[in-house]
Amino acid sequence: AQRVTQPEKLLSVFKGAPVELKCNYSYSGSPELFWYVQYSRQRLQLLLRHISRESIKGFTADLNKGETSFHLKKPFAQEEDSAMYYCAVDNYGQNFVFGPGTRLSVLP
Amino acid sequence: DAGVIQSPRHEVTEMGQEVTLRCKPISGHNSLFWYRQTMMRGLELLIYFNNNVPIDDSGMPEDRFSAKMPNASFSTLKIQPSEPRDSAVYFCASSLVVGGYEQYFGPGTRLTVT
Repeated sequence: AQRVTQPEKLLSVFKGAPVELKCNYSYSGSPELFWYVQYSRQRLQLLLRHISRESIKGFTADLNKGETSFHLKKPFAQEEDSAMYYCAVDNYGQNFVFGPGTRLSVLP
Repeated sequence: DAGVIQSPRHEVTEMGQEVTLRCKPISGHNSLFWYRQTMMRGLELLIYFNNNVPIDDSGMPEDRFSAKMPNASFSTLKIQPSEPRDSAVYFCASSLVVGGYEQYFGPGTRLTVT
């Protein structure tokens, strides 16, 4: 079955530490991959997408087709990064699925 | 642009009552999505429309749920009759086109069915 997994429900790191939020997907073809973020009391919003290959707020994500992973990374976490992070896969209109989410808590 | 607008923001109703959630997508966006978010199941896609036409409603949990998009600027999600297990946050999102594009989310409607 096509699905997106995020193995960690909660990830806690100290400020300044590196952070990696894992995402694995099982899809046929070449879907588009996204990371969305939901800060406290704010709307769910796009953080970055694979096709843009850009760094947003210091975050990057690398697509590894061999491992079918799209892990989100940041070398130095900040307290304002504390939020809920969702990995999402879009198979160009055929399927659109969000992962279960990982709550990142950056401790002072 | 105010972004995606949803109403009401909060809804409390009794089991068995009809509930209607409303969504206004961003002007010019051709695709509209309805999601349900719960602690147990996370964010689930219920249905999405392209050019006002329902494309995939396989995520709609049961016949008690129905969604319509009578025009490009308005959509409704109706639950009739409502049950306590329908309690969740319901999000509406829109995108320029379906497939491969960013989705813009509304603030959500928190539904509580007692």
